[in-house]
This record gives sequence, C-alpha cells and structure tokens, in this order.
Amino acid sequence: QSVLTQPPSASGTPGQRVTISCSGSSSNIGSSYVFWYQQFPGTAPKLLLYRNSQRPSGVPDRFSGSKSGTSASLAISGLRSEDEADYYCAAWDDSLSAYLFGTGTKVTVL
Amino acid sequence: QVQLVQSGSELKKPGASVKISCKASGYTFSNSDLNWVRQAPGQGLEWMGRINTNTGNPTYAQNFTGRFVFSLDSSVSTAYLQISSLKADDTAVYYCARGLRVVRFDYWGQGSLVTVSS
Repeated sequence: QSVLTQPPSASGTPGQRVTISCSGSSSNIGSSYVFWYQQFPGTAPKLLLYRNSQRPSGVPDRFSGSKSGTSASLAISGLRSEDEADYYCAAWDDSLSAYLFGTGTKVTVL
Repeated sequence: QVQLVQSGSELKKPGASVKISCKASGYTFSNSDLNWVRQAPGQGLEWMGRINTNTGNPTYAQNFTGRFVFSLDSSVSTAYLQISSLKADDTAVYYCARGLRVVRFDYWGQGSLVTVSS
C-alpha cells in the first residue's frame, strides 16, 4: 500500500557519499515531516532522522536528510561498512490517515 | 532507559488466534501512543495502526480492520495485538513502536515472529 517510493538498492565504496531518494505526494511528504529508519537484518528498525533532518542522540552526523516539495532524501557521507543496512523513509498521509513507510532501500558497501 | 519488550515467537495453525504483548518501561506509559508495524518475510515495513495509551482508543490502518485488535493493560504498562482467523499470509514479524509526538517512532520492541502454518 506504500505510496512512498524509494530505489530498491544503492551502493558505494567506503568513504563515498550515497544518497537515497523518497518520492511521495502532496498528502504525505508535501504536508508532513519525513522520518528515516535504519534496519539491520534480523533486528528492529531504528530511528535515524526525524523532522526531515534532525538526528536523535547517538546518530553520527554522517547521516543527513532534506526535503523539497513532495520528495525527500537521505545522504550518507563517508560511507562505512557498518552502514550496510535497509533504509526506510516514512511520513504521515493526511488523505489516508495513515503512517506510510517507503518501499525501502538496501545499501551495500562495496 | 526506555524499553519495549515483546513476547516470543508463535507458531499457529490457520484459523487460530494469537495475542502478542509489548511491555513498556522507563517512561510514563500513558504519555505516548503505541504503534504496531508488520514486516512480512523479505518485505518492507507496514503500519498497522496505533493505540492511545491514555484513552485506550485504537486506530487501525485500512488493511488491518476486522481481524486485528489492539488493547492495553495499563496496570502493567503493556499493549497487546490480537489477530484472529490467522492466514498463511499473516506470517510476519510484528513490532510495537512508541510514537513520540505521534509520528516519531523513537523506540521499538525487538519484534515477535508469528508463523502460520498447517
């Protein structure tokens, strides 16, 4: 049911910058904050960014977020092997009255 | 520290019911909603809905009406997810997550695997 679209995969070598996009619409990203979650295999998701670009305590500043119109993006700079995980964007959708997760992006460190 | 501890894995037959618990600690239980999120094997995250831990009022996402029930026992700071008439495609990991300011899922349970198989 997700209407937040992410690329299925992204990759980079250690030290590179990787960007993940999240495309939505006026009823979700266009009118709500965007959140990003990181999930390692077999573990629960973890809040990575909130309110588009804010980092919870403990999240490295290598992770940054932005939002423009109905799209958002997550950037990982100085890519490290431990960043290999699945990443999900999320936003509240006013039309559906539902919290939507993106389709998810698997980040691979080459 | 804030913790959400969920009940363990369940193996159920089609048509049976299951009740998963999510016990909260380290914060005032009634101050934040608890959300339920499903993740089918190899799939993404899907929001099932939430329960207002102050009023007990549940909100269900469109795909999770009818067979899914959210409930609370505030005396033990625990939320429950009950699924009835289980089907094979209910096989998934179910997570509870605290909703800080409603939409910021800042703490998550470890997940409860429900396997539905004959």
